[in-house]
Amino acid sequence: EAGVAQSPRYKIIEKRQSVAFWCNPISGHATLYWYQQILGQGPKLLIQFQNNGVVDDSQLPKDRFSAERLKGVDSTLKIQPAKLEDSAVYLCASSFGTSGITSNEQFFGPGTRLTVL
Amino acid sequence: GENVEQHPSTLSVQEGDSAVIKCTYSDSASNYFPWYKQELGKRPQLIIDIRSNVGEKKDQRIAVTLNKTAKHFSLHITETQPEDSAVYFCAASKNNNFNKFYFGSGTKLNVKP
Repeated sequence: EAGVAQSPRYKIIEKRQSVAFWCNPISGHATLYWYQQILGQGPKLLIQFQNNGVVDDSQLPKDRFSAERLKGVDSTLKIQPAKLEDSAVYLCASSFGTSGITSNEQFFGPGTRLTVL
Repeated sequence: GENVEQHPSTLSVQEGDSAVIKCTYSDSASNYFPWYKQELGKRPQLIIDIRSNVGEKKDQRIAVTLNKTAKHFSLHITETQPEDSAVYFCAASKNNNFNKFYFGSGTKLNVKP
């Protein structure tokens, strides 16, 4: 099966600029996650969608970060304006998202490495 | 919320030796514990997982043990090979519609040939 797709793979911007990341989950996966992974740390959940609704955005810095999943499939994550501390890898993941399904596995995309100068 | 701690942060072993990575969690309602392997510059990939209704699970050279009472779980890799070198992350989750993962901080495993 095709995996989770993300683009771009790399992005370099200057602070105060804007940037957007795109994610296409595995077909049929209802739940989509955006994680921030700072170098040397584990992934930290930013936002979680179930279909096109937000389930959890408690760790999303809403003054600068936004995300949407309008049709319940693809998703975009935006940062505006970017800060130096936003430099990280942004990982998208997807899962079936229904309790009782045999697998809770989250499948990760390759990530977007963001460098803010 | 859940808090997952992982130790050690780095681990260096000789090829053929065993490696053990340990994680603790705080929320007794967590009942699903996956382990992910992330090679340099690549995506995290699930290598093994365990649910709270079992105490141990094995898959060839990899095993995971779970102690619900103590709220800790461990990854065991036997007969390590250089290709096992990577960063390993544990996570804890509740088996519900939200399926939210709380990740540990990672262990960098270096297997020396």
